[in-house]
Amino acid sequence: GAVVSQHPSRVICKSGTSVKIECRSLDFQATTMFWYRQFPKQSLMLMATSNEGSKATYEQGVEKDKFLINHASLTLSTLTVTSAHPEDSSFYICSAIGSAIPYEQYFGPGTRLTVT
Amino acid sequence: AQRVTQPEKLLSVFKGAPVELKCNYSYSGSPELFWYVQYSRQRLQLLLRHISRESIKGFTADLNKGETSFHLKKPFAQEEDSAMYYCAPTGGGNKLTFGTGTQLKVEL
Repeated sequence: GAVVSQHPSRVICKSGTSVKIECRSLDFQATTMFWYRQFPKQSLMLMATSNEGSKATYEQGVEKDKFLINHASLTLSTLTVTSAHPEDSSFYICSAIGSAIPYEQYFGPGTRLTVT
Repeated sequence: AQRVTQPEKLLSVFKGAPVELKCNYSYSGSPELFWYVQYSRQRLQLLLRHISRESIKGFTADLNKGETSFHLKKPFAQEEDSAMYYCAPTGGGNKLTFGTGTQLKVEL
């Protein structure tokens, strides 16, 4: 089956620093990747849609200069949280869609970011 | 605005009892609807899709356009069904809007 990985699974960083989260499709080429944010005991909130080779499309209210998304290849997308603050602490989840089954999103295991 | 409502945060049923997880949506156009499930310590995964009209793990979901509902049902709950369930319509570009989720707990 289609597998999506995320790295790291957990990261702790100091306020003001930047942190990068990787999302990889391991056994398929992802035409589109999505980044979500999930607060404790809440639903997933879509942050942005990332298509390979083009600029990400951000949802309303999501700062694109704060959350930099790069989708340089068909198997890798990265989310960089710049100048992180404690309020950025959250669970970040990516998903990917392949061309074979275009409607089905395959989810990564998530990355727990804690900003101290 | 696109909205998904799952009124129950927690649904607790006994093993063998019927299950119905409610989902109502407010969506422009003709969305496609999905149910996603997250078992304990696992990642989110697709359970079923309304267009497929299939039964997965005994679950079915009927789209009622008049009531704008897409409730998930299973006639006899099993212990392994305990999980978090999310209703998620999608519009253009395969973007999913997730409901708040319902935690299903099947008790022995």
